[in-house]
Amino acid sequence: DQQVKQNSPSLSVQEGRISILNCDYTNSMFDYFLWYKKYPAEGPTFLISISSIKDKNEDGRFTVFLNKSAKHLSLHIVPSQPGDSAVYFCAASSILTGGGNKLTFGTGTQLKVEL
Amino acid sequence: NAGVTQTPKFQVLKTGQSMTLQCAQDMNHEYMSWYRQDPGMGLRLIHYSVGAGITDQGEVPNGYNVSRSTTEDFPLRLLSAAPSQTSVYFCASSYSGLYPTDTQYFGPGTRLTVL
Repeated sequence: DQQVKQNSPSLSVQEGRISILNCDYTNSMFDYFLWYKKYPAEGPTFLISISSIKDKNEDGRFTVFLNKSAKHLSLHIVPSQPGDSAVYFCAASSILTGGGNKLTFGTGTQLKVEL
Repeated sequence: NAGVTQTPKFQVLKTGQSMTLQCAQDMNHEYMSWYRQDPGMGLRLIHYSVGAGITDQGEVPNGYNVSRSTTEDFPLRLLSAAPSQTSVYFCASSYSGLYPTDTQYFGPGTRLTVL
């Protein structure tokens, strides 16, 4: 049962345009969400996050929006650059019973930014 | 700082063989964890540790053992490899793992094939 879903396996946009990556979740207990970026042959790297008490968080060209009632979040990249071409994972954070912090990941969206 | 390092980068095993995937971090992080990434699925938590001498099971622990004798190292052992363990394995660490805001840093991954 996939609790975090990214329904678009791939997305192609032109350089300079906006990229919008979407993510849905089913567990209403999730209260902190993250986006990770992954290049081939590398591990995921943290990009941006948002707490459920907010509906928007911005960091430079990257903005994450959260709609709690719809259990939906999105990552906007403006303007998109060729170096943004990567796989983007949406993740939800939850605290484990033994302490520690589990990330529940979506399946990822491959973004390709074309010249 | 080297960050999170993993060895080997690639490994091919035969069914029934054993091996240890190495993970080390030089950031003095208390929290370390192992994830596996399979096609069509997000990364899934295998085992985690909130500090030296403390380990616990994640979402998919069967077939794997871990130990944490030092803060720096968190090896993952496959006692009797099975084809279902063919995957890409990522190690991650964070400062404490107690808070969702503790950024998790991932290693570059180990690609394991079990024949």
